[in-house]
Amino acid sequence: KAGVTQTPRYLIKTRGQQVTLSCSPISGHRSVSWYQQTPGQGLQFLFEYFSETQRNKGNFPGRFSGRQFSNSRSEMNVSTLELGDSALYLCASSLVSQETEAFFGQGTRLTVV
Amino acid sequence: ILNVEQSPQSLHVQEGDSTNFTCSFPSSNFYALHWYRWETAKSPEALFVMTLNGDEKKKGRISATLNTKEGYSYLYIKGSQPEDSATYLCAFTGNTPLVFGKGTRLSVIA
Repeated sequence: KAGVTQTPRYLIKTRGQQVTLSCSPISGHRSVSWYQQTPGQGLQFLFEYFSETQRNKGNFPGRFSGRQFSNSRSEMNVSTLELGDSALYLCASSLVSQETEAFFGQGTRLTVV
Repeated sequence: ILNVEQSPQSLHVQEGDSTNFTCSFPSSNFYALHWYRWETAKSPEALFVMTLNGDEKKKGRISATLNTKEGYSYLYIKGSQPEDSATYLCAFTGNTPLVFGKGTRLSVIA
């Protein structure tokens, strides 16, 4: 059974640009959550999608948005990139919700210069 | 703001030593407590999902206990091996998405 796949693995962008990250969950999983990790911080929750609907949202500015498609694949978009957006972005898929066991992808390392 | 604290922040042990870490979380509105192991350059891997007060779970040399009334969980590793070197994360959920601690970084020296 294929795991959670995130693309791209690495990305370098310039301040002011926008970026889209992709996450393909484990087949059959309907919940996809996104997290940001910056140096010295724990994983910070961005948002959770379930059956194409955003179910929960973390405390991030509106520049961070996401969506989920009918096949449960999810994308995350960050507009008007700032230097502080440089981070590892992880997505996790769960069968029903993130209160059950979550399976993580390897992440996308975003560097904003 | 929900706070999940893990201690110690980092730990160095000799191969064969047993060790344990602590995760503290809010004791109200508890739903589940997760433990993950995160090795460098890999994805976080779920170890345990615990939901009941007094729960004890075991996977090989790793075990965990849960006290929801006082808001803490312990993770134990018996006879540490170099391959146990990783960051161990705990995450709490009440009526909330998962809230992660900053992790305990374990280094096992051969």
